[in-house]
Amino acid sequence: GNSVTQMEGPVTLSEEAFLTINCTYTATGYPSLFWYVQYPGEGLQLLLKATKADDKGSNKGFEATYRKETTSFHLEKGSVQVSDSAVYFCALSRYNFNKFYFGSGTKLNVKP
Amino acid sequence: DADVTQTPRNRITKTGKRIMLECSQTKGHDRMYWYRQDPGLGLRLIYYSFDVKDINKGEISDGYSVSRQAQAKFSLSLESAIPNQTALYFCATSDLKGADTQYFGPGTRLTVL
Repeated sequence: GNSVTQMEGPVTLSEEAFLTINCTYTATGYPSLFWYVQYPGEGLQLLLKATKADDKGSNKGFEATYRKETTSFHLEKGSVQVSDSAVYFCALSRYNFNKFYFGSGTKLNVKP
Repeated sequence: DADVTQTPRNRITKTGKRIMLECSQTKGHDRMYWYRQDPGLGLRLIYYSFDVKDINKGEISDGYSVSRQAQAKFSLSLESAIPNQTALYFCATSDLKGADTQYFGPGTRLTVL
C-alpha cells in the first residue's frame, strides 16, 4: 500500500539553527512527493514538491530531495526563523493524483 | 476573500445528532476532498469527488456521507454523531490540470459530547 512515515515531534530549535525533518515513504510505482505546512489556525498549504527521483523541491529556503534508493524526502532549512513555527506534513500521490497520503505531521517550534 | 471556505468553523454537538459541514470554493476546481485530522494520525481521507456525479469513498468513510450539490459545493454529513468523530475537518480542492496541488480550507473543529 501507500504510506508516509514522519519523525515524531515536536522539534524545538533556536532561531538560525539548521532544520531536518525526516520523511520516508512506501508506495507502488513512482509517486510524487510533497511537503505541506500548516500554520496555527489555518489549513494546509503546499510548501514544495518533487515529481521524480533525484528532483529537488525548494521554496522559502526549504528544500527536499526525492531519494528513490532510500525512499526518503527529508525536509531541510539552513537557518530557521520564528515565523517557521508550524506543523509540517509529508505526503505522496500516485501518478494520477487522485488521492494523497499524508504523514502524521511534525510540529516545529522555533524560539527567538 | 478565501478561495476555499468552510462553515461552521467550530461546532459542538451531542451524541446522536445529525450535523452537516459545508465547503465552498471559488477556484473553479473539479476535484474536492474531505479529510479529518487527529493528533498523531495526520490527515485521513473521508470522501472525494471528481465532479458532481462522481463520489468516492476514502479510507475512513464509515459514519459519514457527502453531497456534491454543485461544482463549487461539497458537504459532509454525520448522520448520528459519536464522540470519536471529534476532530478537525478539512475540505480541499484541486484542479484536473494542476491536480498535483491541493488547496485547503481553514478547517472546522467539531466536538461531539
